[in-house]
Amino acid sequence: AQTVTQSQPEMSVQEAETVTLSCTYDTSESNYYLFWYKQPPSRQMILVIRQEAYKQQNATENRFSVNFQKAAKSFSLKISDSQLGDTAMYFCAFMCPQGGSEKLVFGKGTKLTVNP
Amino acid sequence: KAGVTQTPRYLIKTRGQQVTLSCSPISGHRSVSWYQQTPGQGLQFLFEYFSETQRNKGNFPGRFSGRQFSNSRSEMNVSTLELGDSALYLCASSLLGGSRWNYSYSWPLHFGNGTRLTVT
Repeated sequence: AQTVTQSQPEMSVQEAETVTLSCTYDTSESNYYLFWYKQPPSRQMILVIRQEAYKQQNATENRFSVNFQKAAKSFSLKISDSQLGDTAMYFCAFMCPQGGSEKLVFGKGTKLTVNP
Repeated sequence: KAGVTQTPRYLIKTRGQQVTLSCSPISGHRSVSWYQQTPGQGLQFLFEYFSETQRNKGNFPGRFSGRQFSNSRSEMNVSTLELGDSALYLCASSLLGGSRWNYSYSWPLHFGNGTRLTVT
């Protein structure tokens, strides 16, 4: 069974600074997807960034980028130029499509607070 | 285009009762999945439907059930409610589900705002 671990329950950062959230996962599969989701107080889960395991290049979406280390099974999220609106819970998630399923396995989450 | 709509947003029930939650996916989306979110267990997969068929099921007791209708709308039902069922229930939809899985095809799962269920 796949597992996802986020070792930082809470983090804080000053506005405009950079912060990195950690995630490790365990799987015996070779093809899979990894995601970072953001959940603000509104409760809606919002996709921040995704990474295909077969791609060596790290994904980037504007101020968000990942450091994907497949051998180490590590998938960290870097947020540059942090903004107050980045304050939220961040969840790392793993998905390995088998039998057509899109089941996501989530980590416990990291609560990020951006301070003015 | 309207997002994933979950109703109701809040629900208070008593132990032993049953409850039905509804999820309307984004128009055109055929896959719907459900997750339970609690402070202790985090986000856990409940089940997944595609074209009215349950494609996958998480490790939950039989009191938890679901279905999907021909218009892709989905409902989940919890019978004989327990205090531990208090949680945020999230629904997500996607365009094709895994029926045409292709590693080069990029898809997002779109989540709703959830239904907050409180069991007293």
